[in-house]
Amino acid sequence: DVKVTQSSRYLVKRTGEKVFLECVQDMDHENMFWYRQDPGLGLRLIYFSYDVKMKEKGDIPEGYSVSREKKERFSLILESASTNQTSMYLCASRPTHFPGNTIYFGEGSWLTVV
Amino acid sequence: AQSVTQLDSQVPVFEEAPVELRCNYSSSVSVYLFWYVQYPNQGLQLLLKYLSGSTLVKGINGFEAEFNKSQTSFHLRKPSVHISDTAEYFCAVSSHTGTASKLTFGTGTRLQVTL
Repeated sequence: DVKVTQSSRYLVKRTGEKVFLECVQDMDHENMFWYRQDPGLGLRLIYFSYDVKMKEKGDIPEGYSVSREKKERFSLILESASTNQTSMYLCASRPTHFPGNTIYFGEGSWLTVV
Repeated sequence: AQSVTQLDSQVPVFEEAPVELRCNYSSSVSVYLFWYVQYPNQGLQLLLKYLSGSTLVKGINGFEAEFNKSQTSFHLRKPSVHISDTAEYFCAVSSHTGTASKLTFGTGTRLQVTL
């Protein structure tokens, strides 16, 4: 079974802090994604990575950056957390860029910024 | 650009009743269509997907969906729901665009099954 692991399920951070959300997949997938989920808005793509050290902006990249130094790990960074970044963050991976591939999700990280 | 519309934000239904969750998509190219389910406090898992071929797709837990190209729809159905089907359901579309094909999600439909 594919496993996508997000290191923290629940985090509480202060405004202005730098926040790291870590994600690891164990199936040698090329593509990895970070989504944000908010009630009534569904899932919105923040960034994706199609290979090691390769990244592309999604629909809502402002206030975020990412890092992919190793194939299995994809990190989301909030340079200076703000209250409007309080949300559920979902990491996902996909075997290749073929759009018919299934995307596999982690269990999510609930971030509260106070 | 591609987009997905899920017309119902919430669908209440009694146990053992049939249910249909509606999904319409928009895309200028050929698409691949997905339904994902999210149980409380969990990530999303795949219910079913349409790639090509037969327009009726069967998935896990007794769900099925029908691809209708002329109506640009991909509605999800189950003939008899169970309490354990209570969850949020997301329709999504993907296509060959750019460097890596992105999956675009709808806003979700919350299915509430009661006795």
